[in-house]
Amino acid sequence: GDSVTQTEGPVTVSESESLIINCTYSATSIAYPNLFWYVRYPGEGLQLLLKVITAGQKGSSRGFEATYNKETTSFHLQKASVQESDSAVYYCALGAANSAGNKLTFGIGTRVLVRP
Amino acid sequence: DPKIIQKPKYLVAVTGSEKILICEQYLGHNAMYWYRQSAKKPLEFMFSYSYQKLMDNQTASSRFQPQSSKKNHLDLQITALKPDDSATYFCASSQDVLYEQYFGPGTRLTVL
Repeated sequence: GDSVTQTEGPVTVSESESLIINCTYSATSIAYPNLFWYVRYPGEGLQLLLKVITAGQKGSSRGFEATYNKETTSFHLQKASVQESDSAVYYCALGAANSAGNKLTFGIGTRVLVRP
Repeated sequence: DPKIIQKPKYLVAVTGSEKILICEQYLGHNAMYWYRQSAKKPLEFMFSYSYQKLMDNQTASSRFQPQSSKKNHLDLQITALKPDDSATYFCASSQDVLYEQYFGPGTRLTVL
């Protein structure tokens, strides 16, 4: 089946430092999956951070970027300069959309702690 | 105002009992989903519905039964509860099956 592997947390960084969370995927149910990053801030629900549906394209939101690399089956999340408000749990997900629906396969989640 | 409501937020049940988890969405979406997250495991897809019809079922056990009484409702009935059913259950919805999914806050179920 489909699977997603991401950086094991917690990841601790200082404010203004760069952040990268690795995500690799294996898609057996679909040739060109959609790729997503979701985020859960403390005390809040899961929300979509960014998505990319075309291989080779880059998605960006709130200073975060991720590029859909089909060759390396990766979708790493990066931010050049983090803020304390970026402390959250980040989830990489693969979407297999077909006639039966759109099942999301998630990674385990990476907890990020940003020190002031 | 929350757009996807899940009730209750916390639920404690005894082994062998039955519970219903409620999900209502006010986004005008046509597709709804259930996911589950057990301790130290990824969110796991359970069901998807489109226009109140079951599209995909990845749950092996028939003890889990979605119920869609209205287009914006997708409840989850769980019978003969087991301690292994302890998890946070998330409802999600999307405009249609090919669109991004929005998640509710979850119901944390503990089975004793």
